[in-house]
Amino acid sequence: ETGVTQTPRHLVMGMTNKKSLKCEQHLGHNAMYWYKQSAKKPLELMFVYNFKEQTENNSVPSRFSPECPNSSHLFLHLHTLQPEDSALYLCASSLGMGTAIDTQYFGPGTRLTVL
Amino acid sequence: RKEVEQDPGPFNVPEGATVAFNCTYSNSASQSFFWYRQDCRKEPKLLMSVYSSGNEDGRFTAQLNRASQYISLLIRDSKLSDSATYLCVKYGGSQGNLIFGKGTKLSVKP
Repeated sequence: ETGVTQTPRHLVMGMTNKKSLKCEQHLGHNAMYWYKQSAKKPLELMFVYNFKEQTENNSVPSRFSPECPNSSHLFLHLHTLQPEDSALYLCASSLGMGTAIDTQYFGPGTRLTVL
Repeated sequence: RKEVEQDPGPFNVPEGATVAFNCTYSNSASQSFFWYRQDCRKEPKLLMSVYSSGNEDGRFTAQLNRASQYISLLIRDSKLSDSATYLCVKYGGSQGNLIFGKGTKLSVKP
């Protein structure tokens, strides 16, 4: 399935590096999301964009910086990360109806390791 | 109390068995719930939505008990391909605000 794609699939970076994660959706959706999934923890919503506007920021540290240039693309810019930021970063998209029936479709994720 | 709590398992069952998972939630105002399935090292995928008292889709039945604040997922006639982690999810009330449980791992053995 190629509805939501993410690149890279794996990333290893040092604490002083700057890198970006990319997400693209081909479903005609208007809302996009970043989630973090750490070992032994539930998925945590990080950011929500609806029609390119950020509508949710769940107290995420500023070393994570999202960018949504259009409804199909979402980036997560990373800088000066910590080892505890190592996790699976998942992107999702949905129609953006703002209701419970707005099903989210996930990308395959980027597995990030911070050394 | 955590917003969404699940027994992490693992549940090890033979093929053909019936297995049930429970998920408890806080905040009785919550209206909508979901079960997602996540295979090892893959992304979560929606399995079922639960908006009223329950939902049935083939071998899968989801039930919602608002009085006791829990949701259940019943899988009948388990298949090897049902082996995965099942995530209980609550709709948090604002755009895209899904609150996930840690998941329950199911392993179906031949």
